Amino acid sequence: DAKTTQPTSMDCAEGRAANLPCNHSTISGNEYVYWYRQIHSQGPQYIIHGLKNNETNEMASLIITEDRKSSTLILPHATLRDTAVYYCIVRVGRNTPLVFGKGTRLSVIA
Amino acid sequence: DTAVSQTPKYLVTQMGNDKSIKCEQNLGHDTMYWYKQDSKKFLKIMFSYNNKELIINETVPNRFSPKSPDKAHLNLHINSLELGDSAVYFCASSLVRNTEAFFGQGTRLTVV
Repeated sequence: DAKTTQPTSMDCAEGRAANLPCNHSTISGNEYVYWYRQIHSQGPQYIIHGLKNNETNEMASLIITEDRKSSTLILPHATLRDTAVYYCIVRVGRNTPLVFGKGTRLSVIA
Repeated sequence: DTAVSQTPKYLVTQMGNDKSIKCEQNLGHDTMYWYKQDSKKFLKIMFSYNNKELIINETVPNRFSPKSPDKAHLNLHINSLELGDSAVYFCASSLVRNTEAFFGQGTRLTVV
């Protein structure tokens, strides 16, 4: 079972920052937070991951609270192509499979 | 070049038939997975192979049998197909020491 809680859906205006929250209050010290997204009719796509420090890459930023019980994925300038279901996943180690929850359906609106 | 490729993309078949879905990755990864996404859009792990050896087998009927002829391939064979097997099946791969899993585009299986 997924160990994360996410809002079912969110809207974001095109060009604005999309902030997607995730609760993982039972996370253990050795568990990473991963984010994937699934654009309609495509396979899931890796976005970013982190352990306890904030992370940034060319796609997004990941902000993890100090107690690690929640995190926020930030898409700095959302475009229509960012419309997708975003999954927050807590994962032990690097060769354990990903356990997907229901995710957040992000709709970017023009 | 497609990193993880699945064939076929669409598969429509009758109940009771036996079918296979093929998956190939050209990333040099040593771990491959099969996931099932049902009509409610839940993605669930089915199998995981590492260096051609089965390491995870979730509660999946025996009618599903994965086969890994080499590290770059993980095929899924399904016997005696049932209506409830209709879903999108995703293959994925990752490098054990790496963190990112790459997914194929999925195979939409429809059993009629």
